[in-house]
Amino acid sequence: AQSVSQHNHHVILSEAASLELGCNYSYGGTVNLFWYVQYPGQHLQLLLKYFSGDPLVKGIKGFEAEFIKSKFSFNLRKPSVQWSDTAEYFCAVTLYSSASKIIFGSGTRLSIRP
Amino acid sequence: EPEVTQTPSHQVTQMGQEVILRCVPISNHLYFYWYRQILGQKVEFLVSFYNNEISEKSEIFDDQFSVERPDGSNFTLKIRSTKLEDSAMYFCASIRVTDTQYFGPGTRLTVL
Repeated sequence: AQSVSQHNHHVILSEAASLELGCNYSYGGTVNLFWYVQYPGQHLQLLLKYFSGDPLVKGIKGFEAEFIKSKFSFNLRKPSVQWSDTAEYFCAVTLYSSASKIIFGSGTRLSIRP
Repeated sequence: EPEVTQTPSHQVTQMGQEVILRCVPISNHLYFYWYRQILGQKVEFLVSFYNNEISEKSEIFDDQFSVERPDGSNFTLKIRSTKLEDSAMYFCASIRVTDTQYFGPGTRLTVL
């Protein structure tokens, strides 16, 4: 069955540190890739998405992600985190089309020390 | 910016009772979804709905669950006889055709 793996359950960083959250998926066909963020007490919001084209995609709030097809990976990065980035981050995929069901990873909780 | 809305934000019910969770998708969207997140676990797909019928459902979506679009704006999830293990956050989402799915704020269902 198709799945999405997020390697880090909980990441703790200091402000201004660089961030990289790992994500791997298991599906050999065409995928659409997403990173969603859930701030405390709020709903899921889209950070960025990859459908096709340039494998380095930029999202909101200074986040970016790189799709590496050979590694089935879509890691999320930010060069300098802020306290307001404290949230849960979910990697997700849809197969065939963005209207297909979303398959989510288990999430990574990011805590930023002020 | 248009949003997906959900009511209620929190529902508490007794085991065996029926609950209806309500969602108002974004008005020009065509595909509708329910997902759930049990506390501490990943977000899981339940069902997708298009053109007034279910287009896909997961193995979680058994006979106790049903969905309906009773009018042009609401999209509901009914659980006929709730179990303790139905306690979760339920998210509604919608999408026009392509692009991305937009999520509502969720309904926290607590089954006692």
